[in-house]
Amino acid sequence: GAGVSQSPSNKVTEKGKDVELRCDPISGHTALYWYRQRLGQGLEFLIYFQGNSAPDKSGLPSDRFSAERTGESVSTLTIQRTQQEDSAVYLCASSTGKNPEYNEQFFGPGTRLTVL
Amino acid sequence: QQPVQSPQAVILREGEDAVINCSSSKALYSVHWYRQKHGEAPVFLMILLKGGEQKGHDKISASFNEKKQQSSLYLTASQLSYSGTYFCGTETSNQAGTALIFGKGTTLSVSS
Repeated sequence: GAGVSQSPSNKVTEKGKDVELRCDPISGHTALYWYRQRLGQGLEFLIYFQGNSAPDKSGLPSDRFSAERTGESVSTLTIQRTQQEDSAVYLCASSTGKNPEYNEQFFGPGTRLTVL
Repeated sequence: QQPVQSPQAVILREGEDAVINCSSSKALYSVHWYRQKHGEAPVFLMILLKGGEQKGHDKISASFNEKKQQSSLYLTASQLSYSGTYFCGTETSNQAGTALIFGKGTTLSVSS
């Protein structure tokens, strides 16, 4: 596709349930990022994948959060035993990861997660 | 360490100028600027690299003072389309693809 896509666009779940959010990066982009944005707040870094290197998980807020990436393609962010404070828009971004000068991040439209 | 942006909000009339600042407590390799309109994903504006030149396009430009670990975004002769939240993202490493740490954002409102 032409851009980063994310699914679902909206997800409503009950407290305690697990959710999976999906991100399809731009083809050929080796770097992939997940961010969380609470209402009216900034972009909170969660996790970053770069090629075959070990992911940078330093931003994950708790062990309920995990993410995987298959090669240099699709990534899934999983939140287990969701809590109300997990409600936010989850944004995925990708970049070429090759040259800092052109390391522009392209963002997907986000998944709006609401935990009741 | 999250960079600090100032001011938190700016209200302008069309044609007025604004400056948004981004400062870090750590030495920076690069600063990225993004704009996010309400309900939309952030969109890239520009990257400034250590040792690089001041960047700009149209009436939006930015500078990067490495010694002060600061960057400033300049919006001149603002237009209605400039409204949105501006985020700076910083990198402390020159490794390609390093994760960005974003500031909390500056909300710009331009009215006619």
